[in-house]
Amino acid sequence: AQKITQTQPGMFVQEKEAVTLDCTYDTSDQSYGLFWYKQPSSGEMIFLIYQGSYDEQNATEGRYSLNFQKARKSANLVISASQLGDSAMYFCAMREGLRRSGYSTLTFGKGTMLLVSP
Amino acid sequence: DTEVTQTPKHLVMGMTNKKSLKCEQHMGHRAMYWYKQKAKKPPELMFVYSYEKLSINESVPSRFSPECPNSSLLNLHLHALQPEDSALYLCASSHGQWNTEAFFGQGTRLTVV
Repeated sequence: AQKITQTQPGMFVQEKEAVTLDCTYDTSDQSYGLFWYKQPSSGEMIFLIYQGSYDEQNATEGRYSLNFQKARKSANLVISASQLGDSAMYFCAMREGLRRSGYSTLTFGKGTMLLVSP
Repeated sequence: DTEVTQTPKHLVMGMTNKKSLKCEQHMGHRAMYWYKQKAKKPPELMFVYSYEKLSINESVPSRFSPECPNSSLLNLHLHALQPEDSALYLCASSHGQWNTEAFFGQGTRLTVV
């Protein structure tokens, strides 16, 4: 079973509008971290925002906010006031507290391609 | 400094060549990772080094050989690759805890001809 599900292969938004990218996750662990990364066509994976399983408030970083609904196991990314430079692939990822071989690793969703038009 | 530096950025190699990818970080992270990413797909974990020891090998073929000479450097030695190994290879580093982010390099775009 997939641990991270991103159901939107592609999203379109006009400049200056807000957009929500969906992410649901599956874990039986109590301790886990949820991350969003942006990957432009250049290839670099850019860390955007983090939400911990014990955090009661939604994380915010500038124009990025994470809508965390623990009971529904969802961690949607909200980008406010979209800019042309926001056009990229966006990945939701999770690190679980359970350790395999002494380490916790990132599990990625399939990604959502966001295109921002003028 | 939150930078992970990978070299080279692009690499074209023949199936009989031997080449190496390099990765460097100076954030004091004790975990370093190699990921392989095909076009329009998420990154797939290949190897994890923890405190300079190989912790995870995700059943990667032996034509890929990782090496961690010290806590700041990570290499991936390539030998006798196949065209299907063409991909973006990403290096990352992090602290080990579940509540810390991983920082990625810009990647090496590898083409095997």
